Amino acid sequence: GDSVTQMEGPVTLSEEAFLTINCTYTATGYPSLFWYVQYPGEGLQLLLKATKADDKGSNKGFEATYRKETTSFHLEKGSVQVSDSAVYFCALSGGYSTLTFGKGTMLLVSP
Amino acid sequence: NAGVTQTPKFQVLKTGQSMTLQCAQDMNHNSMYWYRQDPGMGLRLIYYSASEGTTDKGEVPNGYNVSRLNKREFSLRLESAAPSQTSVYFCATERDLGGFSYGYTFGSGTRLTVV
Repeated sequence: GDSVTQMEGPVTLSEEAFLTINCTYTATGYPSLFWYVQYPGEGLQLLLKATKADDKGSNKGFEATYRKETTSFHLEKGSVQVSDSAVYFCALSGGYSTLTFGKGTMLLVSP
Repeated sequence: NAGVTQTPKFQVLKTGQSMTLQCAQDMNHNSMYWYRQDPGMGLRLIYYSASEGTTDKGEVPNGYNVSRLNKREFSLRLESAAPSQTSVYFCATERDLGGFSYGYTFGSGTRLTVV
């Protein structure tokens, strides 16, 4: 079945550092890929998505590129802020199937 | 504001008590979902409904029942609560088009403690 593997956290960075959170997936066919963010005490919010190979999703300075050859969808941001501290979830949707989530990666950014 | 509304936000139950978690959406989406979130486990699907009148089991359905009352509302019922059901519960909806997912919209969650 479909699965998503994310790097374990927490990831601890100083403000303005470069961020990478790794995500790899296993799926049949051509899934859509997503990154969600969860701020403390809140629900998940869609951060960005990509629907086919080589697509780049971007939002709020975050980017991720759908790499079919490496089955990856790594999340990057050039300069993180304290307000980016949250839990980030990678997810995939295999067409008519439900969304499959990774276990989440906590990001902590210090001033 | 359009979105997904969950009630209640917090609840404490005693073992064996029953309760219903409510979810309502005003986004006119067909698909609705119930997830639970536990530390280190990510999100696990309990039940989902692809359209009004249909429901299907997800990964962890035991101990739960659901009702898709109409297009807007999808409720989750715990008939006899157990401490293992202590969790944060999220409802979500999906704008989907013929199998193509645009992503989910989540409610703010219900934090349930069973003592």
